[in-house]
Amino acid sequence: ETGVTQTPRHLVMGMTNKKSLKCEQHLGHNAMYWYKQSAKKPLELMFVYSLEERVENNSVPSRFSPECPNSSHLFLHLHTLQPEDSALYLCASSRWTGSSYEQYFGPGTRLTVT
Amino acid sequence: QKEVEQNSGPLSVPEGAIASLNCTYSDRGSQSFFWYRQYSGKSPELIMSIYSNGDKEDGRFTAQLNKASQYVSLLIRDSQPSDSATYLCAVRLGARQLTFGSGTQLTVLP
Repeated sequence: ETGVTQTPRHLVMGMTNKKSLKCEQHLGHNAMYWYKQSAKKPLELMFVYSLEERVENNSVPSRFSPECPNSSHLFLHLHTLQPEDSALYLCASSRWTGSSYEQYFGPGTRLTVT
Repeated sequence: QKEVEQNSGPLSVPEGAIASLNCTYSDRGSQSFFWYRQYSGKSPELIMSIYSNGDKEDGRFTAQLNKASQYVSLLIRDSQPSDSATYLCAVRLGARQLTFGSGTQLTVLP
């Protein structure tokens, strides 16, 4: 249950604020992911980090800025967000090598932009 | 055409029945397949992974994969009200990223 942790669990911010989401994994994985989940839409992959290097950026607006200082920590820096950015932001981790690519999710941060 | 398709439901089954959840995918080169369960307001929880054709059983759950038909399913035997959730199908192609379906909402009626 605590393999992947995320803080804060809930966040309300104005459009001019700057905030950061934090993710930490305790599974010994070397890949980490940010997803966005909006109501009635599939999970959207935002960023992928493998061995602390970004390997995927799915046309995410620059108001979202990821940071991966080491294989256990992942941040998502937020600034000048829009109301349509309100969603559940999920962090996940997995191995990057071998045959198993099972991803495990954290509990998510429920973000509301006012 | 969506890359991963699932019936959105809702799918309702009586307690004790078998729930059958289906998923089709568009890319024939897909290699790994996963089922996640997501309770309302919670994050997805991995419940099954399957990599080769055939059936894989884990407790009350059975995943079935047919690569020729590009079809993967999840059977839940002896369904319980606690199984009521949204079930997400995810497919991996080549790179390590997963593509998710929109999910099927399952309700198990007591």
